[in-house]
Amino acid sequence: DVVLTQTPPTLSATIGQSVSISCRSSQSLLHSNGNTYLNWLLQRPGQPPQLLIYLVSRLESGVPNRFSGSGSGTDFTLKISGVEAEDLGVYYCVQSTHAPDTFGAGTKLELK
Amino acid sequence: AVQLVESGGGLVQPKESLKISCAASGFTFSNAAMYWVRQAPGKGLEWVARIRTKPNNYATYYADSVKGRFTISRDDSKSMVYLQMDNLKTEDTAMYYCTAGGFAYWGQGTLVTVSS
Repeated sequence: DVVLTQTPPTLSATIGQSVSISCRSSQSLLHSNGNTYLNWLLQRPGQPPQLLIYLVSRLESGVPNRFSGSGSGTDFTLKISGVEAEDLGVYYCVQSTHAPDTFGAGTKLELK
Repeated sequence: AVQLVESGGGLVQPKESLKISCAASGFTFSNAAMYWVRQAPGKGLEWVARIRTKPNNYATYYADSVKGRFTISRDDSKSMVYLQMDNLKTEDTAMYYCTAGGFAYWGQGTLVTVSS
């Protein structure tokens, strides 16, 4: 199975600070059809996860544009340009290129 | 609006069985692959099972941790997806989420507790 390694495991930020989360895959996530099925999710406390980014860099409808995704192959990054209080929670990367789908272990974003 | 509503969770003893359900609405259910994802208390997300659509022969896939014990199924006429869980273990204790649309849609989850 594909292993997704997220770093850092915990991230402390102040409101307005820009932060980045890394997701590294044990194998390339480029599908034979040309797509890269790497998504980013946010799970706020007590809530189910919500989709932020799909196909590496595409912003899900309704998600603020302070969130952005980048990367290719095995290295991916989620950036938040100006953290807001509502962004606190656990961020997960998830891949669907290779069966079975696998999740990263998560990065907890908390207030400094 | 898209809705996924899970039900059927509860407290069961080890080796017992439980069937949980997910009712979907607001999208063309028959065209969507459906997933179950679980989250043990205080832990991360774990993919459990996936079922594809009729054109893909309703193919099913399972995590190694549940293979041979869990069965995912769907009823397109009712827009329902199910997870039959047999020979439950204490490590199956988790919130079980139904999800679709490439993880775009999530239910609120149903809690399954396996304990003697």
